[in-house]
Order: sequence, then structure tokens, then C-alpha cells
Amino acid sequence: KAGVTQTPRYLIKTRGQQVTLSCSPISGHRSVSWYQQTPGQGLQFLFEYFSETQRNKGNFPGRFSGRQFSNSRSEMNVSTLELGDSALYLCASSLEGRAEAFFGQGTRLTVV
Amino acid sequence: AQSVTQLGSHVSVSEGALVLLRCNYSSSVPPYLFWYVQYPNQGLQLLLKYTTGATLVKGINGFEAEFKKSETSFHLTKPSAHMSDAAEYFCAVRMNSGYSTLTFGKGTMLLVSP
Repeated sequence: KAGVTQTPRYLIKTRGQQVTLSCSPISGHRSVSWYQQTPGQGLQFLFEYFSETQRNKGNFPGRFSGRQFSNSRSEMNVSTLELGDSALYLCASSLEGRAEAFFGQGTRLTVV
Repeated sequence: AQSVTQLGSHVSVSEGALVLLRCNYSSSVPPYLFWYVQYPNQGLQLLLKYTTGATLVKGINGFEAEFKKSETSFHLTKPSAHMSDAAEYFCAVRMNSGYSTLTFGKGTMLLVSP
């Protein structure tokens, strides 16, 4: 059974640009969450989607957005990139009714 | 709001020694508890979880953790460290609710020397 797949693995963008990251959850998992990991702030929750609806959101500016498609795949978008957005972005999927979440390999975003 | 505190940003042990990584949580009700491991440039791998029932839980790679409600702790242990255990370890909590949101500790880097 395939795990959580995130693409791309690495990305370099320039300040002011926008970026879209993709996450394919484990087959059958309808809950997808996104986290930002930085050396200074650690792992911070961005948002959670379930059945195409955002059901929880972390404390991030509106430049960070996401969506989920009918096949449970999810994308997150960051507009007007800032240097501080450089981070490892992790996606996790969960099976409804189960406690544990499974993470992808992450997308390393570098903003220059 | 819930929070997680991991004591010690770095823990050093010798190969073959006991590993003890500490985690305390703050929550109004007993949450779900997890330990994850992260190797360089990788995602998070689930080591073990506590939801309900037996308070001593066993995970992969010989790790185990004990949920102590009175101490609001969920410390991770392994009797004998191996070089391959060197990684960063994260304790996380999740409320027993419809949301899947995890709150993480700051992480503990485990260093294993020969």
C-alpha cells in the first residue's frame, strides 16, 4: 500500500512568487493535514481538510491556503512568498475513526 | 489549549545504553499521544501511539512508552540504543475529537556514540 506522496520534494522560489505543493494521501484516507516545520518554530499546524472541506485552520496569514479534491488529494498554496516561508512542508493523512496520522516525505521550500 | 513539552533538545547516549526521552503534555482531558521519529531530510515516521487501554505501549524498533495520567507524561524508552536510532524524536498530542490536528513538542535530537 503506497504511503503519503508529496510533490515536489524540493523547490526554490523567489520572494514575491507563489507556489503550489501537492499531497496524495494513503488510499482510503479522507483527512489530510498540512504542517510547516522550521528550525525556529518547530512543527506548526497549517490546516486540515476532510471530504473537500477545511475543518480546522492554524494561525497562519491568509497567504497560505489549501484545498482538497474529490479524490482526497490536496494542494496548498502560498502567495507572495517571503524569506520566512522557507521550510519543510509536511502533509499527513488519516483514516476517519483512527487516531494516527501518516506523514509524507515533505516538500523542502527555499525562498531566495 | 493543549501543549507538549519535551525535556532536553539533545540527548546523548552510548550504543547499548538505555534511551529515555521525556514528554509531558498539558490537556484538559486525556488526549491521544504519539511519538514520531524523523531522519534527516525525511518526513515523520510513527513509532507508537496511545489512545485508550493499556498504558504501556510498544512500538517499532524496540521502543515503548508509558502513559501516566497523574504525571501527564508519555516518556519514550528503549533498553539498548543502536547507532541507527540517532534521529530527532517528536512527541505529539491530539484531542479525542473529530479533528486530526496534532500538537507537537519541539523535538529531541538523540545522539548515539559508539
